[in-house]
Amino acid sequence: GNSVTQMEGPVTLSEEAFLTINCTYTATGYPSLFWYVQYPGEGLQLLLKATKADDKGSNKGFEATYRKETTSFHLEKGSVQVSDSAVYFCALSSARQLTFGSGTQLTVLP
Amino acid sequence: SAVISQKPSRDICQRGTSLTIQCQVDSQVTMMFWYRQQPGQSLTLIATANQGSEATYESGFVIDKFPISRPNLTFSTLTVSNMSPEDSSIYLCSVDWTSRTDTQYFGPGTRLTVL
Repeated sequence: GNSVTQMEGPVTLSEEAFLTINCTYTATGYPSLFWYVQYPGEGLQLLLKATKADDKGSNKGFEATYRKETTSFHLEKGSVQVSDSAVYFCALSSARQLTFGSGTQLTVLP
Repeated sequence: SAVISQKPSRDICQRGTSLTIQCQVDSQVTMMFWYRQQPGQSLTLIATANQGSEATYESGFVIDKFPISRPNLTFSTLTVSNMSPEDSSIYLCSVDWTSRTDTQYFGPGTRLTVL
């Protein structure tokens, strides 16, 4: 079956630091890949997505590239802000079924 | 993307009671989904709700415990029946607006605490 493995958290960074959250997946076929973000006390928001190999999703300074050869979709941001503090979920979609990773808690300190 | 709303946003319930959660979208969608997020955990799919057919439940979830209705293309309800403290979770609905992008968008969630 499909599965998503995310970097263990929690992650604590200082403001303006570089962020990487690792995500690898196992899937049959050609899934679409997503990063969702959950701010404290809120639901999930779609952050970015990529639907085929070598696609780069980007939004709000975050980027992730769909790497089929390494089955990865790592999330990066060059300079994090306090407002980026949230839980980040990597997910894949295949046949309209979403499979989530365990989530990574990010805290950015001023 | 359009607007997805859920009611109630949060509730505190007594053991043994039931709660019905509503999910409303402001445009027609074919597929709606219900998820559970237990405290500090990731999301688990409860069921897929298609208009005009019975909901499809995932392993570990049964209709008697989580009955779902989908009366039209903009609305669905999830009932959590005979609640116990283990049902304390965030319940989220999501929709897939188009069959081409395979992308789900989520409502704000319902935070349920069972005493």
